[in-house]
Amino acid sequence: DAKTTQPNSMESNEEEPVHLPCNHSTISGTDYIHWYRQLPSQGPEYVIHGLTSNVNNRMASLAIAEDRKSSTLILHRATLRDAAVYYCIPNENAGNMLTFGGGTRLMVKP
Amino acid sequence: DADVTQTPRNRITKTGKRIMLECSQTKGHDRMYWYRQDPGLGLRLIYYSFDVKDINKGEISDGYSVSRQAQAKFSLSLESAIPNQTALYFCATSEPTSYNEQFFGPGTRLTVL
Repeated sequence: DAKTTQPNSMESNEEEPVHLPCNHSTISGTDYIHWYRQLPSQGPEYVIHGLTSNVNNRMASLAIAEDRKSSTLILHRATLRDAAVYYCIPNENAGNMLTFGGGTRLMVKP
Repeated sequence: DADVTQTPRNRITKTGKRIMLECSQTKGHDRMYWYRQDPGLGLRLIYYSFDVKDINKGEISDGYSVSRQAQAKFSLSLESAIPNQTALYFCATSEPTSYNEQFFGPGTRLTVL
């Protein structure tokens, strides 16, 4: 599995954009980049995934570097409900087993 | 109603006791997983099952066993619980889609005294 590096924690103000970085320099060519988040006292939930192109969904955007060695999860307007631990997980679709690192704890200030 | 449920939600037990954690899902998914999470850390895979007749060890299977009773049910057992198995346990399900989204249950908080 590719090794990932994420900041331990980040802070944001409510209604401002947040950029959560992830380095995955050993990612293989077949690995998708998945992002999950874990709200307090809950199980993780899927946020977004991508392979090469930037991706958008109702929750977030994912910007993937051209060399695929890093990616950035973008929350366009952080809300208090977005306070969570965010996990970046490179994973080939055939394996279907997620390896969670430490993630980034996002704190959102009102 | 929740798609992935876990019982019990909280359990306190003593060293040496046998414990079973249960997971049920109504999503109709073939694949099910058990993870544990220690304080401040990410999740680690204990066991996984790709269908009713398939059981596979994950990263940290020692001290645990599982049973896939049906497509919808996947149980995790601790044959003889020890204090360092105190953790949060999560069950998850998925289908083999191209992007591997997993759906997690609410977790079981297990304390072994």
